[in-house]
Amino acid sequence: QKEVEQDPGPLSVPEGAIVSLNCTYSNSAFQYFMWYRQYSRKGPELLMYTYSSGNKEDGRFTAQVDKSSKYISLFIRDSQPSDSATYLCAANSGGGADGLTFGKGTHLIIQP
Amino acid sequence: EPEVTQTPSHQVTQMGQEVILRCVPISNHLYFYWYRQILGQKVEFLVSFYNNEISEKSEIFDDQFSVERPDGSNFTLKIRSTKLEDSAMYFCASKIGRLNTEAFFGQGTRLTVV
Repeated sequence: QKEVEQDPGPLSVPEGAIVSLNCTYSNSAFQYFMWYRQYSRKGPELLMYTYSSGNKEDGRFTAQVDKSSKYISLFIRDSQPSDSATYLCAANSGGGADGLTFGKGTHLIIQP
Repeated sequence: EPEVTQTPSHQVTQMGQEVILRCVPISNHLYFYWYRQILGQKVEFLVSFYNNEISEKSEIFDDQFSVERPDGSNFTLKIRSTKLEDSAMYFCASKIGRLNTEAFFGQGTRLTVV
């Protein structure tokens, strides 16, 4: 079953806090995992992608994948009001034209 | 910075009419996709396209839908006879190659069927 589950929130945190966003998935064939940011009525914007298990860091953002527990995380350090958006996790097996399976997205609000 | 562009940004159509949504993928990309997002729902994969043919399609992509790459730059999604439940945001995406999984999305076309 190709599903990705994500708590829709909203998640509201004060500015400067560390944010933790999470997803679970059920398809063992998934190898590639992405995080997208989406503002209201706009297209998803790719933030990060990781292959298989492990961590990847890019500035204030860190993506983690634990394939043993089928758990995907995105951490945002020193959160800013401009980080307020919906964050979508997505996954696929990576093969050629394979489409992405998305979570429903978590609506994040950073309070000034 | 190269980007995926979609037109129109908003399309209103009457039920039963045909609509064509247009996309210009990033110029050196080889894989093209259409996704849709019904308001408040997940982004859902519709179809992927490579080497001038459909590579993969979801169960949503039935006979009412078709895709075409009529020239070297455009990629279109046609819905032959629109239904109320086709109302959604439609996103086009592209990626550069088989092993690169970074798909870039356009800003979407909001389709409203009345």
